[in-house]
Amino acid sequence: NAGVTQTPKFRVLKTGQSMTLLCAQDMNHEYMYWYRQDPGMGLRLIHYSVGEGTTAKGEVPDGYNVSRLKKQNFLLGLESAAPSQTSVYFCASSYAGGGNIQYFGAGTRLSVL
Amino acid sequence: DAKTTQPTSMDCAEGRAANLPCNHSTISGNEYVYWYRQIHSQGPQYIIHGLKNNETNEMASLIITEDRKSSTLILPHATLRDTAVYYCIGARIYNQGGKLIFGQGTELSVKP
Repeated sequence: NAGVTQTPKFRVLKTGQSMTLLCAQDMNHEYMYWYRQDPGMGLRLIHYSVGEGTTAKGEVPDGYNVSRLKKQNFLLGLESAAPSQTSVYFCASSYAGGGNIQYFGAGTRLSVL
Repeated sequence: DAKTTQPTSMDCAEGRAANLPCNHSTISGNEYVYWYRQIHSQGPQYIIHGLKNNETNEMASLIITEDRKSSTLILPHATLRDTAVYYCIGARIYNQGGKLIFGQGTELSVKP
């Protein structure tokens, strides 16, 4: 039982490049989330999904897009990366109705030069 | 969601109980208190939650004051692996969208 798996673990991008972060969960959770964590800022919610085919904006959605084509996967896309998007990205999932008990992945460390 | 206040850092001797306080004086009647921790370079990990009664699980105990304005997370026998940042979060039980406000948390250092 892997829980929540994020790929890749590390990535370095140049300004303007695009990339997709993949999150996969094997717990059959309905809800999935993407957060970013910056030094001194705590975790901030980027986007979330309450079910397959649905997504919604969180606290800091600008510059990111997401898709949830399959229940177990939640993709975070950066169309044109900026240095301000240098951060650690965490994916999480939870049961419907239990949204406050979230299971997190190990994170993706992204540097945009 | 309730605003929470925690000390920035705490130390604890290995094997002793670690008592981490949290002030949530603005918590409303339908908000629970949740605790998470984040070990360095890892994702946050859920620990425990409660509404008004004390709670205990295999990881920790949660003591909530009768007026619900503060709570204490207790790690009964702290080990070096408990060194982490601990977050106290107030949130409604049916929180669609997962808007958890993690704040700055308390950095707990367990020392040998």
